[in-house]
Amino acid sequence: GQQLNQSPQSMFIQEGEDVSMNCTSSSIFNTWLWYKQDPGEGPVLLIALYKAGELTSNGRLTAQFGITRKDSFLNISASIPSDVGIYFCAANYGGSQGNLIFGKGTKLSVKP
Amino acid sequence: GAGVSQSPRYKVAKRGQDVALRCDPISGHVSLFWYQQALGQGPEFLTYFQNEAQLDKSGLPSDRFFAERPEGSVSTLKIQRTQQEDSAVYLCASSLLGGNQPQHFGDGTRLSIL
Repeated sequence: GQQLNQSPQSMFIQEGEDVSMNCTSSSIFNTWLWYKQDPGEGPVLLIALYKAGELTSNGRLTAQFGITRKDSFLNISASIPSDVGIYFCAANYGGSQGNLIFGKGTKLSVKP
Repeated sequence: GAGVSQSPRYKVAKRGQDVALRCDPISGHVSLFWYQQALGQGPEFLTYFQNEAQLDKSGLPSDRFFAERPEGSVSTLKIQRTQQEDSAVYLCASSLLGGNQPQHFGDGTRLSIL
């Protein structure tokens, strides 16, 4: 089925570092979203983007809806230990097609 | 409660048994979604309700999977004659209106088939 290509697959962070991840697709979407999932819990919505070119912030998180509508990125500034977890991008076509298509996730871990 | 509630949190069943998973959406949310999440993967869409109407069931992997939402609120996902490949986390999400409205997820039911 339709897939979102999310990268990197995993990364290690040190407290205070900035983090960047992105998601691309061959299809055009009307909505891009970013979720964070901790072990044993469901995905928690971080940011939702509805318009091509839109740049939205939520605290230390910033995400952009790509101008081609085929990609999105998420930046985390000045990372803290509680940022560890798995981040998923998701997208949908909107309208009557409400289902989300997810990337495979980016796993953030603390540098040993 | 304020969020999406799923029960049970964990379910272990023997191959061939039937299971039923329950989802209580956020109060007032019209749309309800079921997703399946395999280990190390992102969630994959199963089915979508708007009120009591099942608008899309294209993601259900086989006719052993059945979902209902008879009164437009609580939903049940039923899996008949379970098989080992059905082992996964089943996530439920709800949104106010559907379409491109943001979806809010429950913590899922972790299903293990022995």
